[in-house]
Amino acid sequence: DAGVIQSPRHEVTEMGQEVTLRCKPISGHDYLFWYRQTMMRGLELLIYFNNNVPIDDSGMPEDRFSAKMPNASFSTLKIQPSEPRDSAVYFCASSARQGFTDTQYFGPGTRLTVL
Amino acid sequence: DQQVKQNSPSLSVQEGRISILNCDYTNSMFDYFLWYKKYPAEGPTFLISISSIKDKNEDGRFTVFLNKSAKHLSLHIVPSQPGDSAVYFCAASGRGTNAGKSTFGDGTTLTVKP
Repeated sequence: DAGVIQSPRHEVTEMGQEVTLRCKPISGHDYLFWYRQTMMRGLELLIYFNNNVPIDDSGMPEDRFSAKMPNASFSTLKIQPSEPRDSAVYFCASSARQGFTDTQYFGPGTRLTVL
Repeated sequence: DQQVKQNSPSLSVQEGRISILNCDYTNSMFDYFLWYKKYPAEGPTFLISISSIKDKNEDGRFTVFLNKSAKHLSLHIVPSQPGDSAVYFCAASGRGTNAGKSTFGDGTTLTVKP
């Protein structure tokens, strides 16, 4: 398996523009997570899905952020409009919870810079 | 309210010595704990885990200890190698309404000096 795939790897945009980050989870995993990593706030969970259904979006900073999972093999995180404070590395992760097993497999991340 | 805390932002050790990374948690519903390692420009990768029914789990040079009464876990790396230099995240998960979700600490940057 290729692991969790994220695109793009790097994104530079101007304030006010729409940004869409993409994620392909590992086949067979039924959980998908979006995280944001910054120096100030560390690794924070934005939203997670179980079987394509959003379970907890309490980490989404504000209405400018939205996430979808139209099917088991694809998810998007959209920021509209983007702001400089959104600059961070965004990670997608997937897992298959079985009993005590709760290991998440992370993608390489998307480094977003909003000018 | 930060439920998983790694109070040491950084740790520096000499090659060959032991590295001890600490993690504290507050939620008694957590029953599964994981350590992840992260290199620059990469996503975190799973390192080792432990369930609450155990107090120790060992995998090669890596051992995780769990003290449930103190709500504390630690990761021991023996002997430490320069390639272990990375950011280490502690994570915890539990059953109930947030099953499947892990709560992460802020990470500890380990530097192993040759």
